[in-house]
Amino acid sequence: DAGVTQSPTHLIKTRGQQVTLRCSPISGHKSVSWYQQVLGQGPQFIFQYYEKEERGRGNFPDRFSARQFPNYSSELNVNALLLGDSALYLCASSLAVDYGYTFGSGTRLTVV
Amino acid sequence: GQQVMQIPQYQHVQEGEDFTTYCNSSTTLSNIQWYKQRPGGHPVFLIQLVKSGEVKKQKRLTFQFGEAKKNSSLHITATQTTDVGTYFCAGKDGQNFVFGPGTRLSVLP
Repeated sequence: DAGVTQSPTHLIKTRGQQVTLRCSPISGHKSVSWYQQVLGQGPQFIFQYYEKEERGRGNFPDRFSARQFPNYSSELNVNALLLGDSALYLCASSLAVDYGYTFGSGTRLTVV
Repeated sequence: GQQVMQIPQYQHVQEGEDFTTYCNSSTTLSNIQWYKQRPGGHPVFLIQLVKSGEVKKQKRLTFQFGEAKKNSSLHITATQTTDVGTYFCAGKDGQNFVFGPGTRLSVLP
């Protein structure tokens, strides 16, 4: 079985631009979460979706948005990029909300 | 908001020594999960604890959830070089899932 796949793997954007990151969960997994991880720190929770509905939102500005599609894949959008948005963005999927999560390898975003 | 703390931040051990990392939450948790992240990798799920006072074992790893559901620990017996990595606890408070800052384990052969 394929694991959690994220695209792209690396991305360089300019300040003020917008970016869309994509995630395909493990087949059968209905919950997808997004995390931001800065080097040397733990993952910071951004969003959780289950059955296409938002089930949790972390302490991130409104520039961050996400959605889950009928096939349970998900997109994370970040508008008006700032230098501080440079990080590894991790997507994780699970069977349901309170199960252990399987993480993808992440998208490394660099904002210049 | 909820805060999850972990100690120690770093731990260097000789291969064969034991290792323990502690996780403390500022609020009562509905459950707690533990993850391991190798250098350059992504977090890998180890276990979830749900019940107060729960203890679970996975080979050389022992996980414990405190009676008040505000703290947890991970103990590794007789560490091996394959145990190298950062160990994160992650607790759920309401709808949000909060990761601790992690404990980075180095194992010297």
